[in-house]
Amino acid sequence: EADIYQTPRYLVIGTGKKITLECSQTMGHDKMYWYQQDPGMELHLIHYSYGVNSTEKGDLSSESTVSRIRTEHFPLTLESARPSHTSQYLCASSEPLEQGAGELFFGEGSRLTVL
Amino acid sequence: LAKTTQPISMDSYEGQEVNITCSHNNIATNDYITWYQQFPSQGPRFIIQGYKTKVTNEVASLFIPADRKSSTLSLPRVSLSDTAVYYCLGRTYNTDKLIFGTGTRLQVFP
Repeated sequence: EADIYQTPRYLVIGTGKKITLECSQTMGHDKMYWYQQDPGMELHLIHYSYGVNSTEKGDLSSESTVSRIRTEHFPLTLESARPSHTSQYLCASSEPLEQGAGELFFGEGSRLTVL
Repeated sequence: LAKTTQPISMDSYEGQEVNITCSHNNIATNDYITWYQQFPSQGPRFIIQGYKTKVTNEVASLFIPADRKSSTLSLPRVSLSDTAVYYCLGRTYNTDKLIFGTGTRLQVFP
């Protein structure tokens, strides 16, 4: 079983609110990722990190920001949520390829609805 | 990093073998091919990974021909619970930017 956790699982908030989606992993992985996925649609990479104090933007432009102060923690923040941010957000971490299959482990996701 | 192309959808019946092919014409020498399975409202789950020839595990087989420009995920005797979206993904040792394609939506009928 993957040891990667996301909270909250579900969140309904009003427009303009600031929200933080939490993601924690206990596997000691350096690489972590945030994906955004609408129902029935493909996954879009919005942020990734290859270790502490490193963050990069993914392929899909996002108004969210991330931080990586500790290896195990990779929170995603929206300063002012809008209805267009309604989506599922999936966090993942990756073992190094040279230590195995480089498998991505995903959390259960955070489903955000902005009214 | 290899850009991948897969069929959008496939249908099958229980007990049949399903083969899903992924094209990756610009695969690099160091790219591995990895397949993931995703059920609705869940994150993708790793199925299998290979570099060339054939790899088999308890879930699936992966065939990669000598030119490595494509790969085929083989699911033996599918069941209803194999209904899911299947993604192929190319990655290397130095890949940090892991991008999923559109995936193949497999529907298994009774």
